[in-house]
Amino acid sequence: DVKVTQSSRYLVKRTGEKVFLECVQDMDHENMFWYRQDPGLGLRLIYFSYDVKMKEKGDIPEGYSVSREKKERFSLILESASTNQTSMYLCASQGNNEQFFGPGTRLTVL
Amino acid sequence: DQQVKQNSPSLSVQEGRISILNCDYTNSMFDYFLWYKKYPAEGPTFLISISSIKDKNEDGRFTVFLNKSAKHLSLHIVPSQPGDSAVYFCAASARTTDSWGKLQFGAGTQVVVTP
Repeated sequence: DVKVTQSSRYLVKRTGEKVFLECVQDMDHENMFWYRQDPGLGLRLIYFSYDVKMKEKGDIPEGYSVSREKKERFSLILESASTNQTSMYLCASQGNNEQFFGPGTRLTVL
Repeated sequence: DQQVKQNSPSLSVQEGRISILNCDYTNSMFDYFLWYKKYPAEGPTFLISISSIKDKNEDGRFTVFLNKSAKHLSLHIVPSQPGDSAVYFCAASARTTDSWGKLQFGAGTQVVVTP
């Protein structure tokens, strides 16, 4: 079974802090994705990566950056957290057509 | 502008009855459609998919129907069970384009199965 793990299930940060969310997959997938999930909005794509050191902006990249130094690891970075970034963050890894998701990180920015 | 729409935010159904979840899309380039199920505090899990060359795909209690002319798909769950209570997301991708397998998700439908 594909396993996608995320470094934290719950995080509480203060406005202006730098936040790192880590994601690791164990299936040697090339494509990895970061989403945020908000009520009534579904899953919105923040960034994705199709290879090491490669990244592409998704639909809502503002306020975020990413890093992919190793194939199995894809990190999401909030350079200066703001209250409107309070959300559930989901990482996914892609096989042929399906995406496999991690358990999510519930981030609260105070 | 949402390209995948789930217009029913919630659905309540009795145990043993059929659940029907609907999804509409606007992008005619979409050629692969998926349904995901999500429990609270967990990531979405893949449920079932359908390619645009088919109009029906069945897997146990779950059947997905695709009507390309109407740009509409639906998920049928029969019979519904209490463990089916979750949020269901419809997703679509345009695999033949330079989209790198990106999925567009709907807003989700909360299903509650009552005894």
